Amino acid sequence: KQEVTQIPAALSVPEGENLVLNCSFTDSAIYNLQWFRQDPGKGLTSLLLIQSSQREQTSGRLNASLDKSSGRSTLYIAASQPGDSATYLCAASMNRDDKIIFGKGTRLHILP
Amino acid sequence: DAGVTQSPTHLIKTRGQHVTLRCSPISGHKSVSWYQQVLGQGPQFIFQYYEKEERGRGNFPDRFSARQFPNYSSELNVNALLLGDSALYLCASSRSGALSYNEQFFGPGTRLTVL
Repeated sequence: KQEVTQIPAALSVPEGENLVLNCSFTDSAIYNLQWFRQDPGKGLTSLLLIQSSQREQTSGRLNASLDKSSGRSTLYIAASQPGDSATYLCAASMNRDDKIIFGKGTRLHILP
Repeated sequence: DAGVTQSPTHLIKTRGQHVTLRCSPISGHKSVSWYQQVLGQGPQFIFQYYEKEERGRGNFPDRFSARQFPNYSSELNVNALLLGDSALYLCASSRSGALSYNEQFFGPGTRLTVL
């Protein structure tokens, strides 16, 4: 059974710092991995989607990497801003049973 | 272009009542999935509908049901509400049926509170 874990559960960093959010999964038979942003009480906004054949994807200040063999993905945020404060969720799409499994998220707070 | 829309945005019900939540997918998308997100947790898969047929079901009781209409919009129904059904209910749409292969686009959610 696939389990997706995100550590830490919460993170506070000063504005301007670069930071890394971690996502690990137990079953490497994934089709893709997606990172989402969620503001309090709101829906999910897709940030980056990495296909299993890819190693990384970049969008602006965001870079996501995928290492299937070690069961890890990271989301790198460069030059953090207060507007980056939100919960970041990763989700693994499974080949086997065509399901999407979410982690519990990392609550990020950027200190002005 | 309009994204995924959901209604209502907020809803308060009492135990034992039933509720209907609605979702309209992005134009051209034929798949709608429903998720339940309890506070502090990641979304949990409830149902997927594709071309008006149920394509997948998560580990939820029979009190939860859904359907998809010819215009690909969808309703999620929950009967005999329990306090534990209080959550943010998210709808996601995608172009075709395979959840794994298609990027999911999420709506803003419906916040359900059961008293």
